[in-house]
Amino acid sequence: GAVVSQHPSRVICKSGTSVKIECRSLDFQATTMFWYRQFPKQSLMLMATSNEGSKATYEQGVEKDKFLINHASLTLSTLTVTSAHPEDSSFYICSAVTGLAGGSTDTQYFGPGTRLTVL
Amino acid sequence: AQSVTQPDIHITVSEGASLELRCNYSYGATPYLFWYVQSPGQGLQLLLKYFSGDTLVQGIKGFEAEFKRSQSSFNLRKPSVHWSDAAEYFCAVAPSGGYNKLIFGAGTRLAVHP
Repeated sequence: GAVVSQHPSRVICKSGTSVKIECRSLDFQATTMFWYRQFPKQSLMLMATSNEGSKATYEQGVEKDKFLINHASLTLSTLTVTSAHPEDSSFYICSAVTGLAGGSTDTQYFGPGTRLTVL
Repeated sequence: AQSVTQPDIHITVSEGASLELRCNYSYGATPYLFWYVQSPGQGLQLLLKYFSGDTLVQGIKGFEAEFKRSQSSFNLRKPSVHWSDAAEYFCAVAPSGGYNKLIFGAGTRLAVHP
């Protein structure tokens, strides 16, 4: 099946620094990728939708200047947490779809997640 | 607003016992429905999905789910649980015919006793 990887799997950084998380579709081209945030013992919350070659669409309440998303190719999307603070500590998960239209029938393939800890 | 409710935060069953994980949704129309499983160190894996048609859906790993429109439910079932089924299970909905934006429930953590 389709595989999505994330790098790094775990990162610890100091408050005020920026952290970049990569999401790659390994064996398929992903026209659309999604970024989620998962708090401990809670559900996944969609942060933004990333389309290759265009600006990301952010969900309400998500600061686009803090969470920079770039989808430069059909196999790579990056999430940069800028000027990270302890409240940004969380589990960040990406997913990718193979469908051309990004419709609801397209299966989302999820990465294993990245644990961010901001000291 | 659209929402997904998984009433059971944590469930423990004995290996070999049957399992039912509950999911209720609130949505204006019939959405697309999904069940995912999350294991440590692995990405969420799709167990099954419902778009239309037969309301009893078969998935991978011996799981099935039944869509009941009258109850706005999409409960996940397995007749005989294996120790390897211990994981976090998420129910999710997406707008039918719309863009692929999944709304997840809070999840149910399944523990399996030997």
